[in-house]
Amino acid sequence: GIQVEQSPPDLILQEGANSTLRCNFSDSVNNLQWFHQNPWGQLINLFYIPSGTKQNGRLSATTVATERYSLLYISSSQTTDSGVYFCAVDTGNQFYFGTGTSLTVIP
Amino acid sequence: DGGITQSPKYLFRKEGQNVTLSCEQNLNHDAMYWYRQDPGQGLRLIYYSQIVNDFQKGDIAEGYSVSREKKESFPLTVTSAQKNPTAFYLCASSGGNDQPQHFGDGTRLSIL
Repeated sequence: GIQVEQSPPDLILQEGANSTLRCNFSDSVNNLQWFHQNPWGQLINLFYIPSGTKQNGRLSATTVATERYSLLYISSSQTTDSGVYFCAVDTGNQFYFGTGTSLTVIP
Repeated sequence: DGGITQSPKYLFRKEGQNVTLSCEQNLNHDAMYWYRQDPGQGLRLIYYSQIVNDFQKGDIAEGYSVSREKKESFPLTVTSAQKNPTAFYLCASSGGNDQPQHFGDGTRLSIL
């Protein structure tokens, strides 16, 4: 199956700082989705983005499909941003998940 | 409200016992999925179904079984053949090709 790698694996930020999370994938995909998993285990949809850039408040995502990567930007981080961020690639039949980036935002 | 409901939230299994996890959606989605998540790990696909009465194995199907008799329901049975069933199980659905996945809140399964 397709390989999905996320970096960095762990990230600690001071509240108010900005960060960039990266997702690399090994083959062409139909689409890509970013999720935030909160401390209770709930997976929250952030973006569904096959290419280009989307923004939602303090978060934005960019996917460059031809180069097989996607970036998630978090600006002015807040303690509620803490959790694990996953990217998942859509091959048309199923989704493959990366191993996640664990983000801790300290006050 | 439309969404995906998983039950129960917590489940305990005795050795040698089969247990069934429920997943119901009212989003009118065709595709449904079951994932397993171990502590500190990503999600791994167990089974998926793109249409009623049809389903396919994912990467870790051994020791699990599913059925898809109704569009809105996709129950997962963890059989006694699954030797390490303790994990967090997540159900998802999507509207089809090129549609995002939406997740339920999960079921935590533990062995007594």
